[in-house]
Amino acid sequence: GAGVSQSPSNKVTEKGKDVELRCDPISGHTALYWYRQSLGQGLEFLIYFQGNSAPDKSGLPSDRFSAERTGGSVSTLTIQRTQQEDSAVYLCASSSSGGAGNIQYFGAGTRLSVL
Amino acid sequence: KQEVTQIPAALSVPEGENLVLNCSFTDSAIYNLQWFRQDPGKGLTSLLLIQSSQREQTSGRLNASLDKSSGRSTLYIAASQPGDSATYLCAGPQGGSEKLVFGKGMKLTVNP
Repeated sequence: GAGVSQSPSNKVTEKGKDVELRCDPISGHTALYWYRQSLGQGLEFLIYFQGNSAPDKSGLPSDRFSAERTGGSVSTLTIQRTQQEDSAVYLCASSSSGGAGNIQYFGAGTRLSVL
Repeated sequence: KQEVTQIPAALSVPEGENLVLNCSFTDSAIYNLQWFRQDPGKGLTSLLLIQSSQREQTSGRLNASLDKSSGRSTLYIAASQPGDSATYLCAGPQGGSEKLVFGKGMKLTVNP
């Protein structure tokens, strides 16, 4: 596709349920990032994938959060046993390589509301 | 640890004004800085990326500068228009990594 695609655009769930958020990066981009944007905290890094290397999970807030990237393309962010504080916009970005000088292109995000 | 600050959090101006948006960062070893725009309910759009070897980058009415020694970057918007209304965020890498650290953004409103 022309840009980074995320689905769903909105997700409402009940506390304690598991959710999966999907990201399709720009074709050919080897690096993929997940960020979370919440009212109180601003934009925070969650996890980073680069090619076949082990992902950098240093930003994941708890072990309820996990992500995978299959075939070096599509990524899924999973939140288990959701809590109200997980409510936020989850943004995915990709770049042509993992180099720090490369522009990250962002998707429109998934707005997660935990009731 | 990199920390990025944007002040003020919001700005409202009449159309036509030239604007300066400020961004400060704590790690002077920063090797690039990016400016993004975010419209309500949308993702981030990259505006400008300045490498540490550069002092300025220009795109249309936008000009961004980077001063590592003072820990500051500015985004200059010339002849502002109502369509420039959005939230503007700056971001720099955490240490030598690819992870971006974002400021909390500045909400700009340009009134017709």
